[in-house]
Amino acid sequence: DQQVKQNSPSLSVQEGRISILNCDYTNSMFDYFLWYKKYPAEGPTFLISISSIKDKNEDGRFTVFLNKSAKHLSLHIVPSQPGDSAVYFCAASEGKAAGNKLTFGGGTRVLVKP
Amino acid sequence: GAGVSQSPRYKVAKRGQDVALRCDPISGHVSLFWYQQALGQGPEFLTYFQNEAQLDKSGLPSDRFFAERPEGSVSTLKIQRTQQEDSAVYLCASSSLFDRGEAFFGQGTRLTVV
Repeated sequence: DQQVKQNSPSLSVQEGRISILNCDYTNSMFDYFLWYKKYPAEGPTFLISISSIKDKNEDGRFTVFLNKSAKHLSLHIVPSQPGDSAVYFCAASEGKAAGNKLTFGGGTRVLVKP
Repeated sequence: GAGVSQSPRYKVAKRGQDVALRCDPISGHVSLFWYQQALGQGPEFLTYFQNEAQLDKSGLPSDRFFAERPEGSVSTLKIQRTQQEDSAVYLCASSSLFDRGEAFFGQGTRLTVV
């Protein structure tokens, strides 16, 4: 069973507009959530994270929102830039007790059109 | 280098052949993870080391998969008697004990079993 799901496999957005990526999870033990960005032929790179005690975390153009009751998180990128074109993975962790291992969603491919 | 280094970048193996994949983590990183990423999917956890101790190997798909980190730095993932379903990108990641999941990933080894 998939504990972390990204239901949109792809997203196309115009440069300068907002990109919204969604992620749902089922495991109530997850207490830390992360977004990773991946370019072709490279490993994933960490983008932004949020603890389960918060509902929002912002870092420059990137904001992550967490709705614990709905077991849903989203990543907002504003304004979107062509360099943001990549595959974005949502990931979740049960914390140090589980060794901080990550459970990933299937990814959303974002294309930002100039 | 400053990042996580994996070798080889690409490996083609005949079915039944044994392979060994190497990971050089960031110097000083205590935690080391191996993930398997099938085409079009997100990475899936294989195993976790804290220094030389393998604390979690729950994700290893079969007893043909074996990982070690004998001196607490370099790690090797070995796959015996490779099968076609083993074809995937194998990602290594490392982090400090203080990180909460913000692991640094290598570029991965793409294994193709023919």
